Amino acid sequence: DAKTTQPPSMDCAEGRAANLPCNHSTISGNEYVYWYRQIHSQGPQYIIHGLKNNETNEMASPIITEDRKSSTLILPHATLRDTAVYYCIVRVVHQAGTALIFGKGTTLSVSS
Amino acid sequence: DTGVSQDPRHKITKRGQNVTFRCDPISEHNRLYWYRQTLGQGPEFLTYFQNEAQLEKSRLLSDRFSAERPKGSFSTLEIQRTEQGDSAMYLCASTPDLSYNEQFFGPGTRLTVL
Repeated sequence: DAKTTQPPSMDCAEGRAANLPCNHSTISGNEYVYWYRQIHSQGPQYIIHGLKNNETNEMASPIITEDRKSSTLILPHATLRDTAVYYCIVRVVHQAGTALIFGKGTTLSVSS
Repeated sequence: DTGVSQDPRHKITKRGQNVTFRCDPISEHNRLYWYRQTLGQGPEFLTYFQNEAQLEKSRLLSDRFSAERPKGSFSTLEIQRTEQGDSAMYLCASTPDLSYNEQFFGPGTRLTVL
């Protein structure tokens, strides 16, 4: 079973920040938080992963709480093309080559 | 396009028929994965290969399912005696090796069993 809990859906206005929460209360010290997204009719796409709050890229920033039991993926300026299902996954990084365990994710709908 | 490719993109078959899907990973990616995704659910792991060796199979991979990667390049997933419950999107992903964090997914094959 997936080790994460995410809200099933969220709405966001175009140009605004989208904040996607993820609960992972049973995360271990050596587990990272990975984010993937899946645009309709496409395969999942890797976004970012991190252990603490020290990772960011041009697409998104994950904010992980001090106790690491939850995190939020922030899309600073959402566009219509960001409409997708977002998956939060926890896994041990040295097992990065093993299978991903997906939950149901959060369906983000960005509207103009 | 040098991404992961899958063929066919869509397949409609009648119950009881056999179907075969193909996945071509990114060149020189040693690890290849198969996932299945039903409507409203996240992808579920089926099996993966390290080069030509099949290293792990999930409980979802019943005896009617078989996967191969004969030369360590492309892979095939065959479903025998299809059932309506096999209707799903079948996704393939690849990654260069164990240490690489990102899995690169193909567009998937949508199977509909009538």
